[in-house]
Amino acid sequence: AQSVAQPEDQVNVAEGNPLTVKCTYSVSGNPYLFWYVQYPNRGLQFLLKYITGDNLVKGSYGFEAEFNKSQTSFHLKKPSALVSDSALYFCAVRAHYGNNRLAFGKGNQVVVIP
Amino acid sequence: NAGVTQTPKFRVLKTGQSMTLLCAQDMNHEYMYWYRQDPGMGLRLIHYSVGEGTTAKGEVPDGYNVSRLKKQNFLLGLESAAPSQTSVYFCASSYEPPGTGGLFSNQPQHFGDGTRLSIL
Repeated sequence: AQSVAQPEDQVNVAEGNPLTVKCTYSVSGNPYLFWYVQYPNRGLQFLLKYITGDNLVKGSYGFEAEFNKSQTSFHLKKPSALVSDSALYFCAVRAHYGNNRLAFGKGNQVVVIP
Repeated sequence: NAGVTQTPKFRVLKTGQSMTLLCAQDMNHEYMYWYRQDPGMGLRLIHYSVGEGTTAKGEVPDGYNVSRLKKQNFLLGLESAAPSQTSVYFCASSYEPPGTGGLFSNQPQHFGDGTRLSIL
């Protein structure tokens, strides 16, 4: 069964500094990988996904993520964090074939300090 | 631009009471899902549906039932609420090309804003 690990509960970063949120995954075969963001009292919003091809994926709001097959990682990055990026971030994985369930990580709280 | 709408937004129940959570989507999506979100545990899939009239169990189905009588609606029922079911419940939907099974499962899910349910 597929699974996701987000090792850090909270990431603190100063406004204007680079932001990285880590994600590693486990899946049989090739993965589809996703990042979602959740603001307080709201549902999850899709940020970006990796299907195949270029390992660097660009998404909404200036976010990007790098797929690394050898390290089974899909870290989310933003070159310059904004206070408005403070939110809960979820990584998710599903396999290309078979069980279609999307497995979510526990989430990372990002706090951008002004 | 309604997307996915969940009703109600908040509810407090007593142990043993029953209730139904309603999810409606206006994107003509085939797939719909019910998740629960608990602190430090991410999202866990309760039940899902791949089309009108079909439902299937997810990771944590016990104590819940679902129905998908219309394509746009997905109902989650708690027959006899327990304190362990205190959670935030999210409905989601996704577009999956028909007839492709798991081959094209790369579509993002669209989420509602959740129902906050407390069971005393």
